[in-house]
This record gives sequence, C-alpha cells and structure tokens, in this order.
Amino acid sequence: EVQLVESGGDLVQPGGSLRLSCAASGFALSSNWMHWVRQAPGKGLVWVSRINSDGSITSYADSVRGRFTISRDNAKNTLFLQMNSLRVEDTAVYYCATNMGSLYWGQGTLVTVSS
Amino acid sequence: EIVLTQSPGTLSLSPGERATLSCRASQSVSSSHLAWYQQKPGQAPRLLIYGASNRATGIPDRFSGSGSGTDFTLTISRLEPEDFAVYYCQQYGSSPWTFGQGTKVEIK
Repeated sequence: EVQLVESGGDLVQPGGSLRLSCAASGFALSSNWMHWVRQAPGKGLVWVSRINSDGSITSYADSVRGRFTISRDNAKNTLFLQMNSLRVEDTAVYYCATNMGSLYWGQGTLVTVSS
Repeated sequence: EIVLTQSPGTLSLSPGERATLSCRASQSVSSSHLAWYQQKPGQAPRLLIYGASNRATGIPDRFSGSGSGTDFTLTISRLEPEDFAVYYCQQYGSSPWTFGQGTKVEIK
C-alpha cells in the first residue's frame, strides 16, 4: 500500500526555520517526481515546490523561492522541505504528494508561524 | 500557469439530489490530467477522480467525472449526508500544479 507520512511541523517564530519530512512506503521514491502543497487555515490548496526523481531539477512557487529548499534522500525513501526565513503567511498544513497514474497525498503536517 | 475556475462557489442541495460541479481551465489541460478532491474540515483532501474520469480506489460510483480540454465536470448522482463538503479540482499535467478555488456543497 502506498503511504506518505509528513512530519516536522511545529510552532515557530517569524524569521525562524523548520525542516519538514515526508516518509514514503509501498513504492520507491526514486521513481517519481515529488511535490509539496500547502493549505493556509480556511483557504484553498496551493502548490509550493517539486523535485524530480534524482533531485537534479527543482522548482518553487514565487512566494517561497529563495527561502525554501526541496530535497530528497532516495536511499531513505524520504522527501524534505527546508523552510527558512519563515513568515506569518507561511502558516499552513503542508502536504507531500506524487503522481503515479493516480495521485497520492499524505495527511499533512501543520506549520504555525507566530510570535 | 493554468488557472482553474470552479463554479458555483456554493451549491445548496438536499440529500438525494444531483450535484453538478464545474471546473474551467484557462488553457487546455494536458492529457486530461484533471483530478477532483473532496475535503471535510480538519481532514486532508480525499482523491475522488483522476485522469478526468477515473474513480480512485474505494470511491462510490455515485461520483463521476467528465470533460476534456478546458471544461470538466464532477457529478454526484444522488447526494448522501456524508457528501456535504468542499470540492476542489486540480490540474497536474503542467507545471506548476494548480487548483481551483473550491465549491462548497451545503445542505439546503
């Protein structure tokens, strides 16, 4: 069974950093592009970042470019999102997701940026 | 990027009625890579439909998707009490992935 489990969400002050993880099971992470999507409280879904199968290609939403870094460890079947210079508007549930014919999402991890 | 516009914003219906939700894209969606999700408060999005018309595993057959190009539809043939929720469309054929703003299906 394909599973994605996010972790690492927390309460952090503006300007702080956080590293999210997404552990994959039931499939080889190395075979797929992986994505991060976020949802602010009461708002819709917004794509954040993506990475190709070997980590050589990445792209970001304008709102996070230069502050967030997506990476992966295929040996550990884990995806990461390093989040620096966090802002109040980054507060959201962060989901990892992938397309393997059908689409698979994790349950999300909550990041709260507040003083 | 492809902009997805969902209509209506809110749909007020009674259990047993038919729901028709629309998703219109600003340009053609590649290979019908269009998905529909259901989301309830405090929960992750639940995949209903992928590839415009393929039901995801475990999704009841009262949910159906249709369309191609720029116009897509999610139909719920007879609303059950558990179907009242927010529904999102997503295109995943072009980068970046984009999502519609959502349609809320509420009890009339």
